[in-house]
Amino acid sequence: GEDVEQSLFLSVREGDSSVINCTYTDSSSTYLYWYKQEPGAGLQLLTYIFSNMDMKQDQRLTVLLNKKDKHLSLRIADTQTGDSAIYFCAENDPGTYKYIFGTGTRLKVLA
Amino acid sequence: NAGVTQTPKFQVLKTGQSMTLQCAQDMNHEYMSWYRQDPGMGLRLIHYSVGAGITDQGEVPNGYNVSRSTTEDFPLRLLSAAPSQTSVYFCASSYSRQSQETQYFGPGTRLLVL
Repeated sequence: GEDVEQSLFLSVREGDSSVINCTYTDSSSTYLYWYKQEPGAGLQLLTYIFSNMDMKQDQRLTVLLNKKDKHLSLRIADTQTGDSAIYFCAENDPGTYKYIFGTGTRLKVLA
Repeated sequence: NAGVTQTPKFQVLKTGQSMTLQCAQDMNHEYMSWYRQDPGMGLRLIHYSVGAGITDQGEVPNGYNVSRSTTEDFPLRLLSAAPSQTSVYFCASSYSRQSQETQYFGPGTRLLVL
């Protein structure tokens, strides 16, 4: 089946770390993605990870992948007010051209 | 490069009216797609195209038509608008179908059907 789930809301204090979680059901997905959507804007690709990797780090962003549990997470270190946005995880349906998106997690950063 | 552009930004329609949402990209991308975004449901794929002259259905194609006569343009047509089509519509493109290729999203069209 194709289903990507995320919690809807997350609130953190400025300077703390944020962890946004995602579960997916298609174990054959080859790439998993994190997108950021700021208010009134389209989606912006933040990072992606190969399915044969466990972790990927890119500046303040760390992606962890637990393929056995089909669990993906995005950690934002030293969260800033500019990080307030909706974050979507997505997977690519292998063999097709379809990207399957999660429901999105709204991150609110408190000053 | 302008990237992915969408027009209009906002539109209000009455039930039964038809309209076309425009999408264009100037990056010579093969792959283009249309999504709708509804609260609590993420993005759902409506239609997609892997090149000029080739289109296919996504997850929620009913009530929408597309065509791809050029590489640059991928319009989405609502034949007879219904209130259930009130949503935010995003167009996206990428260079190819390869999974690692970045999808570029347009700024969206907000549609209200009364």
